[in-house]
Amino acid sequence: AQTVTQSQPEMSVQEAETVTLSCTYDTSESNYYLFWYKQPPSRQMILVIRQEAYKQQNATENRFSVNFQKAAKSFSLKISDSQLGDTAMYFCASSPGGSEKLVFGKGTKLTVNP
Amino acid sequence: DTGVSQNPRHKITKRGQNVTFRCDPISEHNRLYWYRQTLGQGPEFLTYFQNEAQLEKSRLLSDRFSAERPKGSFSTLEIQRTEQGDSAMYLCASSFPVAGGLGQYFGPGTRLTVT
Repeated sequence: AQTVTQSQPEMSVQEAETVTLSCTYDTSESNYYLFWYKQPPSRQMILVIRQEAYKQQNATENRFSVNFQKAAKSFSLKISDSQLGDTAMYFCASSPGGSEKLVFGKGTKLTVNP
Repeated sequence: DTGVSQNPRHKITKRGQNVTFRCDPISEHNRLYWYRQTLGQGPEFLTYFQNEAQLEKSRLLSDRFSAERPKGSFSTLEIQRTEQGDSAMYLCASSFPVAGGLGQYFGPGTRLTVT
């Protein structure tokens, strides 16, 4: 079974600074996809960024980028120029190749301080 | 609004009662998913449909749970004889008809409280 581990239950960062959220996963699949989702307080889950495992290039979406280390099974999220609106729960998730379900980690609560 | 919608947003019920939730996916998405999220945890997969066919069910989906998507559009999730352990946020998501990695789009969820 595929598992996703987020070892940082809570993190905080000052506005405009950079923060990195950690995620490790375990899978026996050769083809899979990795995602970061954001869940603001009392609001719905939003897809932040996605990575295809067979692509070595790290994905980037504006201020959000990932560091995908396939051999280490690590998939961290870097948020640059943090904004107050980035305050949320962040979930790392994987989708095993050939399966449509998402397997989520327990999440990291990020607080951006003014 | 063309996002995923869920109704009701909140449901309070007494133990032993039946409840039904509805999910309306994004119109061009043919895949629809149900997840359950308890406090302090990430969402857990329950089941998923492609059009009207239910293709995968989690072991979490006991025989008290049933999901349908009769016409390949909206879906319902019914919980019979609710238990206090069923209290959770029930999330629905939909995705484009492409396997794997384009990501799923989530609705706001239905928060169930069983008293």
